[in-house]
Amino acid sequence: SQTIHQWPATLVQPVGSPLSLECTVEGTSNPNLYWYRQAAGRGLQLLFYSVGIGQISSEVPQNLSASRPQDRQFILSSKKLLLSDSGFYLCAWSFRLEAFFGQGTRLTVV
Amino acid sequence: DAKTTQPPSMDCAEGRAANLPCNHSTISGNEYVYWYRQIHSQGPQYIIHGLKNNETNEMASLIITEDRKSSTLILPHATLRDTAVYYCIVRPPSNNAGNMLTFGGGTRLMVKP
Repeated sequence: SQTIHQWPATLVQPVGSPLSLECTVEGTSNPNLYWYRQAAGRGLQLLFYSVGIGQISSEVPQNLSASRPQDRQFILSSKKLLLSDSGFYLCAWSFRLEAFFGQGTRLTVV
Repeated sequence: DAKTTQPPSMDCAEGRAANLPCNHSTISGNEYVYWYRQIHSQGPQYIIHGLKNNETNEMASLIITEDRKSSTLILPHATLRDTAVYYCIVRPPSNNAGNMLTFGGGTRLMVKP
């Protein structure tokens, strides 16, 4: 069966520090991968999606970047975090009609 | 993606059926209706999806109107653990690059004892 791993579960980082969140998927090949962000009390906002290795599309301009070095690995990064980057970050994968989400990383920038 | 409209919140008594409505009046002929839910501080969980016919699984039933402009998610016997935000989403069936899930505000369902 397919599983999605996302870590860490929680993270507290100072303003200006770098960020790297990792997501890996098992049990499937060539999935579409997504990064979403959810600010406190808000809906889910799509940040990036990828249809293959090295292929990244961005939905909104922002302080973050994404990379897909391997078929089942998706990384969300920032060189310098801002206070506004705080939120709940979710990785997801989809294939055909189904989409599945990781358990999320709660990032607090202080 | 077609937009969806859901009430922002609903209450339901424990043990009773929870009926969550969704309007999707601009849905295209090949777009499916999906329902997800998000329990606090967790990732969204897939519940059910359908195209034209009503669907039922171990979690819920999905009733889609004949004109497909609206649907209702039914939790037949709501429990306290069903308290969550429920999202109704429409999307085409293909695996194209732009075929990502677009989440609206959802309905916050509160199941009360």
